[in-house]
Amino acid sequence: EAGVAQSPRYKIIEKRQSVAFWCNPISGHATLYWYQQILGQGPKLLIQFQNNGVVDDSQLPKDRFSAERLKGVDSTLKIQPAKLEDSAVYLCASNIDYVDTQYFGPGTRLTVL
Amino acid sequence: AQSVTQPDIHITVSEGASLELRCNYSYGATPYLFWYVQSPGQGLQLLLKYFSGDTLVQGIKGFEAEFKRSQSSFNLRKPSVHWSDAAEYFCAVGGSNDYKLSFGAGTTVTVRA
Repeated sequence: EAGVAQSPRYKIIEKRQSVAFWCNPISGHATLYWYQQILGQGPKLLIQFQNNGVVDDSQLPKDRFSAERLKGVDSTLKIQPAKLEDSAVYLCASNIDYVDTQYFGPGTRLTVL
Repeated sequence: AQSVTQPDIHITVSEGASLELRCNYSYGATPYLFWYVQSPGQGLQLLLKYFSGDTLVQGIKGFEAEFKRSQSSFNLRKPSVHWSDAAEYFCAVGGSNDYKLSFGAGTTVTVRA
């Protein structure tokens, strides 16, 4: 069974630039999550989707971050404009339903200069 | 609000020695508890989870954890460490209502020969 796929794996941008990350969850997984993991900290949930709909985006900085999940499958997370403090690893996870174990992708490491 | 504390930032252990990683949680109701491992450049992999029942939980790679409600703890143990166990370990707590995960800051394990 293929795991959660993410791209790109690494991204370096200048502050105030825009960036987008892509996630392809495990086939059949209805729930998808985006986490931010800052160096030295545990992952922090940014947004949770159930199929196409947003379940929880309470910790998403909506002035600069946006996310969508079209057709209930792939998802993109966008940052516009990026700040230095956005440097982190962005992890995508999915599960069949929110009660199931979450499976994580390898992450995208973002460096904002 | 739910939270997790992992008191040890970094632990060094000799190959073949035993390992114990501490985790303390704060949650108002019955917690769901998890241990994940993250190797460099990899996503998080679930080691084990506790939902209910037997408080001693067996996981993959020879790991086990014990839930102690009176101490609000969920410590991870392994009797004999292998060099491949060098990684970062995260404890997480989820709620019985929404299963949203809150992660600790992680413990980095170094294995010396």
